[in-house]
Amino acid sequence: DTEVTQTPKHLVMGMTNKKSLKCEQHMGHRAMYWYKQKAKKPPELMFVYSYEKLSINESVPSRFSPECPNSSLLNLHLHALQPEDSALYLCASTPNDSAWGSYNSPLHFGNGTRLTVT
Amino acid sequence: AQSVAQPEDQVNVAEGNPLTVKCTYSVSGNPYLFWYVQYPNRGLQFLLKYITGDNLVKGSYGFEAEFNKSQTSFHLKKPSALVSDSALYFCAVRDGRLNTGFQKLVFGTGTRLLVSP
Repeated sequence: DTEVTQTPKHLVMGMTNKKSLKCEQHMGHRAMYWYKQKAKKPPELMFVYSYEKLSINESVPSRFSPECPNSSLLNLHLHALQPEDSALYLCASTPNDSAWGSYNSPLHFGNGTRLTVT
Repeated sequence: AQSVAQPEDQVNVAEGNPLTVKCTYSVSGNPYLFWYVQYPNRGLQFLLKYITGDNLVKGSYGFEAEFNKSQTSFHLKKPSALVSDSALYFCAVRDGRLNTGFQKLVFGTGTRLLVSP
């Protein structure tokens, strides 16, 4: 089982709905990531949080709003999505410290939330 | 910009035979390369990485990868394939500055491995 937990596993929402995706890890990792993955495609980076601060926003539309309330939790708030936003949304984490080795620590992924926008 | 290429959309191999999944890279500076595997309806799982040192890197589940600087390749290999190895495999390279304290990876397009009984 993965050490990064994502809820819900599946989500169906209309274009006028507001919903949130949740990600949790208890490995003490200080960097957390949101990725979007379309079928049979590689994951695309959306956001990176480092020490609870937003470090990367890959020009993601404002209908996606990330939040990192503490070092263990990462949320993705969704509002007014489009059908083309339907995808697998993956959360990941890595250690984040000054040690050289951590710069190349592997990403620990959750199993994702399968989102369908109708 | 850093990039990786996976030239094969799908690789078919019979169980018990050796397998190779190809990856080539293009980087400025030293390459930091990774292989991940994704099973259906799952997130990605880390298999192995090359940072520096031996050109043959050993990883999880009996997989290994050979780093070849002259050919700019980082092919994934396994001596004897299992049906359970059937999955989607991604090669990735680290992008961006090294001192940011987090990983920014550029993934290849993925190769589907199908191992037949």
